This record gives sequence, structure tokens and C-alpha cells, in this order.
Amino acid sequence: DQQVKQNSPSLSVQEGRISILNCDYTNSMFDYFLWYKKYPAEGPTFLISISSIKDKNEDGRFTVFLNKSAKHLSLHIVPSQPGDSAVYFCAAPGNTGKLIFGQGTTLQVKP
Amino acid sequence: GAGVSQSPSNKVTEKGKDVELRCDPISGHTALYWYRQSLGQGLEFLIYFQGNSAPDKSGLPSDRFSAERTGGSVSTLTIQRTQQEDSAVYLCASSLAPVAGNTDTQYFGPGTRLTVL
Repeated sequence: DQQVKQNSPSLSVQEGRISILNCDYTNSMFDYFLWYKKYPAEGPTFLISISSIKDKNEDGRFTVFLNKSAKHLSLHIVPSQPGDSAVYFCAAPGNTGKLIFGQGTTLQVKP
Repeated sequence: GAGVSQSPSNKVTEKGKDVELRCDPISGHTALYWYRQSLGQGLEFLIYFQGNSAPDKSGLPSDRFSAERTGGSVSTLTIQRTQQEDSAVYLCASSLAPVAGNTDTQYFGPGTRLTVL
């Protein structure tokens, strides 16, 4: 039972353009969502989060949008840079604070 | 300051052998999590320690897996009689403490890549 889903395993965009990474969830009890970024041979690092009381949270080039009725969130990166190339995971905290992750989307930003 | 460290970074073992993976969390973090990432998969929760509370073992895939946390700091994940399907990257994370309804940011170590031949 995949409670957090990232249906696009990969995404390729041109430098300077917008990257949009999508995430869907099934559990309507989730009230907080996080995005993590992972480079090869490194652990995931926290990128940005959003509470369910908001529909948007912005931090520099990164914006996360939440559509609760659709159980959908997205991460926008604009402008995309080659250093943004990584695997992006969306996650939601389950009980006890453990994170439930999606499968990840590999973003490649081409110079 | 120092982040989460894990050792070894890579481990190759033969099927049927036991392995121990170590995690040193960030000093002062009371919550410690183990996850694993199998090839092409997302991160899968394994076990969670919070202070002196009983650990949440709900994610352990079989009784061959166990973990302990000594002195509220270092944690060891043990896999007995390893199988090829245990091959994965095992990640440890720590946080200050989960807050009801939200979560404190989890800081991840670099992981241990386990290969079972």
C-alpha cells in the first residue's frame, strides 16, 4: 500500500527553465509534507516543507504547492540549475514521526 | 557541527552471514530512525528509537532484522543470515524529537551500501 506516490521516475529540463516534480498521497490524515533531495552516495537532505493549513510555501527558487482536495503536491524549481540534478523524494510523517517516502524522481538539469 | 555518520560505507557479504551496521546520530538528537532504499525504490522505514521509549519496530521486514540503541546515542542494525534481497542502502537519520502532528527535520547519514552475494 503506497501511501505516497511519485509516478514520474525521471524528469529532464533545460537550465533556466522550470522543473515541476509531482507527488500524490492517499492518506487524508497527512497534515505535513516534506521534500528531500538526494545526491549519489549521500544521504537525503531536507529541502522544503508545507503544512496542510497552507497551500503554498516558497523558499528562494523552491516552491511547494499543496492541493488537499486532490491529495496532490508539487515542487517547483525556477530557474533550474545543473546543481539541482538529484533525486527528489516527497514524504509525509506517519505515526511516531517516521517518514513515509515516495519512490523518488530523478531530475536532470541540462546546461 | 558533525552530522550523522554511518559505518561501514560499503559492505559486501556472502548469503547467510550476519552483518552489523552502525549509526552515530547528531549529538543531542533523541530520535533515531533506520530506513533502507532498495534498487529503484523509495526509502522504506525500518525502525525508530525515541529516548527511553520502546522502539517502533513496525517496519522491520523479518525477524532476521534487529536494532539496538545504546545509551541513547549510537545505534546498531543487525541483519542475521543475510539474503540477496537484503541488498540495499541502509540509511540512518536523527532528529531532535517528533512533534505531534508534525515532524522535526530528520538529518540523514550517508548510508551503508550492503551487497549480499
